[in-house]
Amino acid sequence: QKEVEQDPGPLSVPEGAIVSLNCTYSNSAFQYFMWYRQYSRKGPELLMYTYSSGNKEDGRFTAQVDKSSKYISLFIRDSQPSDSATYLCAPVGGGSNYKLTFGKGTLLTVNP
Amino acid sequence: DGGITQSPKYLFRKEGQNVTLSCEQNLNHDAMYWYRQDPGQGLRLIYYSQIVNDFQKGDIAEGYSVSREKKESFPLTVTSAQKNPTAFYLCASTGGGGSYGYTFGSGTRLTVV
Repeated sequence: QKEVEQDPGPLSVPEGAIVSLNCTYSNSAFQYFMWYRQYSRKGPELLMYTYSSGNKEDGRFTAQVDKSSKYISLFIRDSQPSDSATYLCAPVGGGSNYKLTFGKGTLLTVNP
Repeated sequence: DGGITQSPKYLFRKEGQNVTLSCEQNLNHDAMYWYRQDPGQGLRLIYYSQIVNDFQKGDIAEGYSVSREKKESFPLTVTSAQKNPTAFYLCASTGGGGSYGYTFGSGTRLTVV
């Protein structure tokens, strides 16, 4: 089993839709859960992260972690065409473990 | 502004040629990373360095080499031993533990001609 599994999509939705992006992971040592957004031909940028289980909201974005089921989610409300990008989940261990493990990314297209 | 600069943005390599990709950061970050990105493959770790003069192989290090002589710089050489080097290469850095995440450069697109 791979450390991080992410459905690559592609996912196409109409503008204004609620989008759900998901990952599963296998390593129980992961404590921080990052979401990166990558526009075409650009480097990924950190969108948001959560620590341990629970929810974190930032504007239209909500990150959710369920450590008991090793499941990570990113929800986008009122999706906009500017949200069209690849979204990568990246869990990491705590402490001095610097090495992120990335999912393959989900390509999202929001149609006007 | 602080950040990571990768150069060049596009690079063309002839068969049998070594090429070096530049990565410079002014974030005072200790750890630096090189990733390769191919369509449908996600990000694959090539090499990483947590401190000057020290680096470790990632998952796909064969055909690549790195150096870390300065904190700010982590160049990647794609050697002729790398049989399929055409890809998008990303450099990243981080300054802290797991909560800090990575800062990425804008990438170098390498094409074999």
